[in-house]
Parts: sequence; C-alpha cells; structure tokens
Amino acid sequence: SQKIEQNSEALNIQEGKTATLTCNYTNYSPAYLQWYRQDPGRGPVFLLLIRENEKEKRKERLKVTFDTTLKQSLFHITASQPADSATYLCALDAAGNMLTFGGGTRLMVKP
Amino acid sequence: NAGVTQTPKFRVLKTGQSMTLLCAQDMNHEYMYWYRQDPGMGLRLIHYSVGEGTTAKGEVPDGYNVSRLKKQNFLLGLESAAPSQTSVYFCASTGSGNEQFFGPGTRLTVL
Repeated sequence: SQKIEQNSEALNIQEGKTATLTCNYTNYSPAYLQWYRQDPGRGPVFLLLIRENEKEKRKERLKVTFDTTLKQSLFHITASQPADSATYLCALDAAGNMLTFGGGTRLMVKP
Repeated sequence: NAGVTQTPKFRVLKTGQSMTLLCAQDMNHEYMYWYRQDPGMGLRLIHYSVGEGTTAKGEVPDGYNVSRLKKQNFLLGLESAAPSQTSVYFCASTGSGNEQFFGPGTRLTVL
C-alpha cells in the first residue's frame, strides 16, 4: 500500500541553525510533492511544490530536494528563527489534483 | 478576498445527532476537498469535488455525505454522528496551480 512517512518526533534546534525535515514514501510515483506549514489551531498553508523532474527548489530561506530514486524529499530551513516553529507536512499527488499527506513533523526553534 | 471560510468553528454533538459543515471559497476554484485531521494520523481525505454538481469519495468517506450545488460552496454532512467522528475538519480548494488553500478548520466533538 502507499505510504508517506515523516518523523513523528519533534525536531528541536537552536536559532540560526539549519533545520532539515525528511519525507519518505513507498509505492508511489508522484508527479510532484508539496510542503505545507501548519500552526496550532489553524489550517495548513502551502509553502513549496517540486516536480519529479526537479532536483531542488528554493524560496527565500527554504529549500526542498526531491530524489525519486531514494523516494525521499528533504525540506531545509536555513538561519532558522523561533517564528519558524510549526508543524510541517509533506504531501504527494495521488491522482487528479488529489493529495496524500504525511503525518507531519513538529519543529521547535529555540532562541 | 476571504479565501476559504468554514462554519462553524466549533461544535459539540451528541451521538446520533446530525449536522452540516459549510465551506465557502471566493477564488473561483474548481476543486474542493474535505479532510479530517486526527492526532498521529495526518490529514485524511473524506470526499472531494472536481466541479459544481460533482462529488466523489476519498479515503475515509463512511458516515459522511457531501453536496456541491454551487461552485463556491462544499457542504459536509453527518447524518448520525458517532464518537469516532470527533476530529478537526478542514476544507480546501485548488485551481490550476496544484497547491491547496485551506480553511481555518472546524473542531467537532461527538459525545
């Protein structure tokens, strides 16, 4: 069966360091992968989309990689700030504009 | 633009009661979705719609019904609520850009 795995344990890092979150998947051949941010009590907010033919994508302090051989995406936040503390969700296209989400990883950035 | 709005924000039901959750979007999006989010389970797709007058089942459709009579509205109904339906419900919509826009969520408790 199709499966998306994100580290369910919280990631704690110091302000200014680079945070790296992992999304692994099995039994998928997604055309694209997305990352969302979710703050407590709020809906997810779209951050980045990377397509299967793209190795890397950047947006300000964010960087996403997509390795279709390893079936893995890495999400990096450079120069992290306490305001980056949130839960980050990865999502893969299932078919026809539908997404399947991972369980999310909570990031805590300490000042 | 208000984006995606959901009503109500909170609701408490007794087992067996019925209710309807309303989702509205003002972005002229064709696709709309209903998800539920439970601790440790991530977002799971309940039902979705690819256009006005169309609906389809997602991953966890049992116990729910939906209607899309107008393009901007997507209704989620619970005919006979059960404690297992206690969850946070999110509506989302998308146009041609693949990224989904989420509402603020409805927190439902079934006693």
